[in-house]
Amino acid sequence: DGGITQSPKYLFRKEGQNVTLSCEQNLNHDAMYWYRQDPGQGLRLIYYSQIVNDFQKGDIAEGYSVSREKKESFPLTVTSAQKNPTAFYLCASSIDPQREGSSYNEQFFGPGTRLTVL
Amino acid sequence: AQSVTQLDSHVSVSEGTPVLLRCNYSSSYSPSLFWYVQHPNKGLQLLLKYTSAATLVKGINGFEAEFKKSETSFHLTKPSAHMSDAAEYFCVVLISTGRRALTFGSGTRLQVQP
Repeated sequence: DGGITQSPKYLFRKEGQNVTLSCEQNLNHDAMYWYRQDPGQGLRLIYYSQIVNDFQKGDIAEGYSVSREKKESFPLTVTSAQKNPTAFYLCASSIDPQREGSSYNEQFFGPGTRLTVL
Repeated sequence: AQSVTQLDSHVSVSEGTPVLLRCNYSSSYSPSLFWYVQHPNKGLQLLLKYTSAATLVKGINGFEAEFKKSETSFHLTKPSAHMSDAAEYFCVVLISTGRRALTFGSGTRLQVQP
């Protein structure tokens, strides 16, 4: 089955520690994305990557870092510089966002990781 | 600028009655529009997408949405609500230039009463 996996499902971190969230896809999609969701709010884009070895900041990149060394993987590191890291984190992928048409731009989402900072 | 507004943060209906979740968008370009559903502590699932082939779009689980350019709306409807429809629904518009990222509405929580 093709899809997107995120691990772990729940993650607890002590204040001041860095933590890395995993995202893997076997859909052969070019683009991958990280979103943050807070209660009662929509999704906000943290980082995105349209091809391997390239990524761009989204709307709320401060305190986060990413890498895209492989097409299938797009890990997100939440650093100690992120002031309010407790949230639900969602990873997504799409075929090719540079092409016109909703089929290329439709994003497929993983099940999410809930991060709690203690 | 491109944005999307979901007009209701909460909607409550009785099982078996119609569902209407409202969404308005603003876009300088011909938009790509989506509706996603999220059940508690889960990822998002695509309900339907506007492809410009037809203004009335049919999705999964009996949901439909109608694209009305004159009203800049893309409301989601279902003739008869089921208990399993209780979830958070997001209207989403694609930014057509630059980074081509999705812009999410703030969401509408649908409650279905027995």
